[in-house]
Amino acid sequence: EAQVTQNPRYLITVTGKKLTVTCSQNMNHEYMSWYRQDPGLGLRQIYYSMNVEVTDKGDVPEGYKVSRKEKRNFPLILESPSPNQTSLYFCASSFGRSRDTQYFGPGTRLTVL
Amino acid sequence: QKEVEQNSGPLSVPEGAIASLNCTYSDRGSQSFFWYRQYSGKSPELIMSIYSNGDKEDGRFTAQLNKASQYVSLLIRDSQPSDSATYLCAVNRVGSSNTGKLIFGQGTTLQVKP
Repeated sequence: EAQVTQNPRYLITVTGKKLTVTCSQNMNHEYMSWYRQDPGLGLRQIYYSMNVEVTDKGDVPEGYKVSRKEKRNFPLILESPSPNQTSLYFCASSFGRSRDTQYFGPGTRLTVL
Repeated sequence: QKEVEQNSGPLSVPEGAIASLNCTYSDRGSQSFFWYRQYSGKSPELIMSIYSNGDKEDGRFTAQLNKASQYVSLLIRDSQPSDSATYLCAVNRVGSSNTGKLIFGQGTTLQVKP
């Protein structure tokens, strides 16, 4: 089954404790992206990757890091989480062309205390 | 001005009625337009994509695009309670190297009442 998976699905942590949210897709997509979704602000892109070892900032990259060492995986790293990073996070993937359907993972609800 | 604007709603319609969801966008060069449905706490799911002016129908759903007016809409015929969700309009930004990026509206919440 074609899918995007994320782990963990739910996470409660404390300020400053490094965490990683994993994302994996099995559709051989070149393009992967992380979004955060906040009430009143909608979905905003954090980082994206056009292919292996090619990553770039989206609209709200501060406080986040990513890596793309393998085509299927695109982890999101919060080195020192803060309460303003409490949000619902989605990983998405596509073939990267403007008309391509973007497939979303199930989401990770993160709470930073 | 937001790049993609939607009325947040809620839009309430009776079961069996037509629900009309609207979206405007600011980038005149945008070329790809998408409607996603999102149930509470779940991930967005693509319903329709449209790239050319006019109507595109898929089952009970019809997407309409008017590039001159920078307007895209989604009609849901014979609305069902299971259609109750938030509908996100998304537009692909052109003229950048980030070819896969979608700009989302804030979404319109639809409530279909039995």
